[in-house]
Amino acid sequence: LAKTTQPISMDSYEGQEVNITCSHNNIATNDYITWYQQFPSQGPRFIIQGYKTKVTNEVASLFIPADRKSSTLSLPRVSLSDTAVYYCLVGDMWGSNDYKLSFGAGTTVTVRA
Amino acid sequence: DAGITQSPRYKITETGRQVTLMCHQTWSHSYMFWYRQDLGHGLRLIYYSAAADITDKGEVPDGYVVSRSKTENFPLTLESATRSQTSVYFCASIIGGELFFGEGSRLTVL
Repeated sequence: LAKTTQPISMDSYEGQEVNITCSHNNIATNDYITWYQQFPSQGPRFIIQGYKTKVTNEVASLFIPADRKSSTLSLPRVSLSDTAVYYCLVGDMWGSNDYKLSFGAGTTVTVRA
Repeated sequence: DAGITQSPRYKITETGRQVTLMCHQTWSHSYMFWYRQDLGHGLRLIYYSAAADITDKGEVPDGYVVSRSKTENFPLTLESATRSQTSVYFCASIIGGELFFGEGSRLTVL
């Protein structure tokens, strides 16, 4: 299992960009990096996934350096509704025989007005 | 499209009692998972299942039993509940590289 390390919490203000970095030094060749968002009393939901370089979708960007030992989730122009816990998950998400996918402790992002 | 349905959503029980948390998916995803979530620990994998009648232990399987007689159902049983099993339990399935989670079952063991 690729162990992940994230900051415990981050504070921001509306309209700012939030960058959350996840360390995963023992990432394996077949591992992908996936970020999930979780609101209180809900299950986590998928935000973005990448293998290397940069991935962008309508809600976030994911930056992965060449050595893949870390990754950064970027949330542009956050709003109050982006207040949530963000999890970095590293594992083989595609057809592996071993789906022992475990999450780290997550980063609590608080957006203030 | 209901996706993953968990029941009960809330449960209070006493130490030593047996509790079963139900998980049902409306898709036909092969893999299903049970996680527990505790403050400061994130989501920890209890058990997962690759298909009907195929299950395997995750990080924290002690005290839990699972079964999967049908693809769409993956119940989690605490045979003799302990206070340390007070937690929020999430069921999930995976398809296309994405985990889909249920809404969670909050269990309190007194």
